[in-house]
Amino acid sequence: DTEVTQTPKHLVMGMTNKKSLKCEQHMGHRAMYWYKQKAKKPPELMFVYSYEKLSINESVPSRFSPECPNSSLLNLHLHALQPEDSALYLCASSQRRGGGQETQYFGPGTRLLVL
Amino acid sequence: GQQLNQSPQSMFIQEGEDVSMNCTSSSIFNTWLWYKQDPGEGPVLLIALYKAGELTSNGRLTAQFGITRKDSFLNISASIPSDVGIYFCAGRTGNQFYFGTGTSLTVIP
Repeated sequence: DTEVTQTPKHLVMGMTNKKSLKCEQHMGHRAMYWYKQKAKKPPELMFVYSYEKLSINESVPSRFSPECPNSSLLNLHLHALQPEDSALYLCASSQRRGGGQETQYFGPGTRLLVL
Repeated sequence: GQQLNQSPQSMFIQEGEDVSMNCTSSSIFNTWLWYKQDPGEGPVLLIALYKAGELTSNGRLTAQFGITRKDSFLNISASIPSDVGIYFCAGRTGNQFYFGTGTSLTVIP
């Protein structure tokens, strides 16, 4: 099983709203990621959690707040977003195996529209 | 962040033709991954490569990890309409995956 699930699939929010995106994986992966993706562009890394600790924050504005409650769950809390934050938000997970092999699997994404 | 050079940017081909795309980087990677993405969906992993020189197939797809560890290519043989989408390469170093700029593939029936 290589499934990463994300909810909701679609989200419309106003600039004063607070909302959260959720991601779950049951593959026992040690690392979980949030990416932002604009149409026809590659995913842009936002955050990396490794063993439930934030290991990489790619200078993301504080209106995006990640949270890793346990090794299977990853949240992204959204507050006071701007219209330019509208994008596909992707969650991914990965696990390093013997020999340094590591493969990353993506969820289906949350399509966010900020009005 | 680092971005890989992926070419071509787009391809328009007839059904049944073979396709080739590649990724190059100025940095060495430990892993190369190839993904396909449909509009509004998450990228789906096609092939993973872990060793320099490795050649791996998945059905009609074949990918290779370059000897220099700075490049990789993906071939699709006998293309079909459902091959339409955007293909991304990704290279891993440390805890991060770096993505190519994408190749948009259109298959004309």
